[in-house]
Amino acid sequence: QVHLVESGGGVVQPGGSLRLSCAASGFTFGAHVMHWVRQAPGKGLEWVALMEADGSNQYYTDSVEGRCTISRDLSKNTLYLEMNSLRPEDTAVYYCARGAGWVVDYWGQGTLVTVSS
Amino acid sequence: EIVLTQSPGTLSLSPGERATLSCRASQSVPENYLAWHQQKPGQAPRLVIYTTSNRATGIPDRFSGSGSGTDFTLTISRLEPEDFAVYYCQQHAYAPLTFGGGTRVDMK
Repeated sequence: QVHLVESGGGVVQPGGSLRLSCAASGFTFGAHVMHWVRQAPGKGLEWVALMEADGSNQYYTDSVEGRCTISRDLSKNTLYLEMNSLRPEDTAVYYCARGAGWVVDYWGQGTLVTVSS
Repeated sequence: EIVLTQSPGTLSLSPGERATLSCRASQSVPENYLAWHQQKPGQAPRLVIYTTSNRATGIPDRFSGSGSGTDFTLTISRLEPEDFAVYYCQQHAYAPLTFGGGTRVDMK
């Protein structure tokens, strides 16, 4: 059974940094594309970043390019999202998600990031 | 970037009725790589349909997807109480991947 558990969210001041983690289980972690998707309060879904299954490429949405880095630790079956220079508009629930190809096929429960002074 | 526009914004229907949701892309979606996700209040989304017409694991056959190019449709043949939710389309062809703004299916 696929299980994705995010952690690391919280309140951070504008300009600050945060690292989100996603512990994966129930599948072969290194064989799947992994995604981060976010949802601002009361808003729709916004794709943030993905890492290819072989780790060769990462892709980002324009609004986080240069400020965020997606990475993974295969020994820990864990996905990360390092976020820097955070802005109020980055406030959202951040979901870790597994990919089947590039389609998101399983979602975690999310972790809330609030950027506020 | 492929922009996805969903319509209507809200659909008010009764259990047993048919729901038809639309997703229009700003340019042709290669290989019809268009998915639909369902989200209920306070919950994470769940994949319903991928590559236009393939049901995800555990999705009942009252859900069906169709379309090609720039116009795609999710149909729920007979609404059950658990189907009332927000539905998002997502193109999984090009980075940046994109979602539509969502269609809320409300109980009348």
